[in-house]
Amino acid sequence: GDSVTQMEGPVTLSEEAFLTINCTYTATGYPSLFWYVQYPGEGLQLLLKATKADDKGSNKGFEATYRKETTSFHLEKGSVQVSDSAVYFCALPKAAGNKLTFGGGTRVLVKP
Amino acid sequence: NAGVMQNPRHLVRRRGQEARLRCSPMKGHSHVYWYRQLPEEGLKFMVYLQKENIIDESGMPKERFSAEFPKEGPSILRIQQVVRGDSAAYFCASSPPGGFYNEQFFGPGTRLTVL
Repeated sequence: GDSVTQMEGPVTLSEEAFLTINCTYTATGYPSLFWYVQYPGEGLQLLLKATKADDKGSNKGFEATYRKETTSFHLEKGSVQVSDSAVYFCALPKAAGNKLTFGGGTRVLVKP
Repeated sequence: NAGVMQNPRHLVRRRGQEARLRCSPMKGHSHVYWYRQLPEEGLKFMVYLQKENIIDESGMPKERFSAEFPKEGPSILRIQQVVRGDSAAYFCASSPPGGFYNEQFFGPGTRLTVL
């Protein structure tokens, strides 16, 4: 079945550091791919998405490129801020039923 | 346009009691999804409903859990005879009808604590 694997956290960084969170997936076909962010005490928000191979999703300085050949969708940000401290989830949808399969989440802590 | 609303935000129950979690989808959304997040884990799909229909309940535990989305009113996730292992955050998401895949919008969650 479909699955998503992402790097375990926590990831602790200083402000302005470069952030990468790895995500790889197993799925039939070529699904859309998503990154969600969960700030402390809140629900999930869609951060960015890519709907086909080689697409690059971007939002709030974050980017991720859909790599079909490596089945990956790594999240990157060039210069993180304290406000980026959150848990980040990689996810893919199943078209039949629309349910989302999530990775385990990566907690990111940015220190001033 | 209000987002997905869930209540209560926090719910405390003793073992053996019932828990009822409510979810009001965004206006115009007729699809509702429930996910469970156990402590320090990712979200796991539980059930997908449309108005008056359960479409996919493959993630629901076979016993004690049920969900409904009536024609009028919010979606309800019901947990009977709660046990400590039910302590988790329960998130509801909604999406509009139609399309290959529609973005799911998440509510703030209900954090259930079973004493």
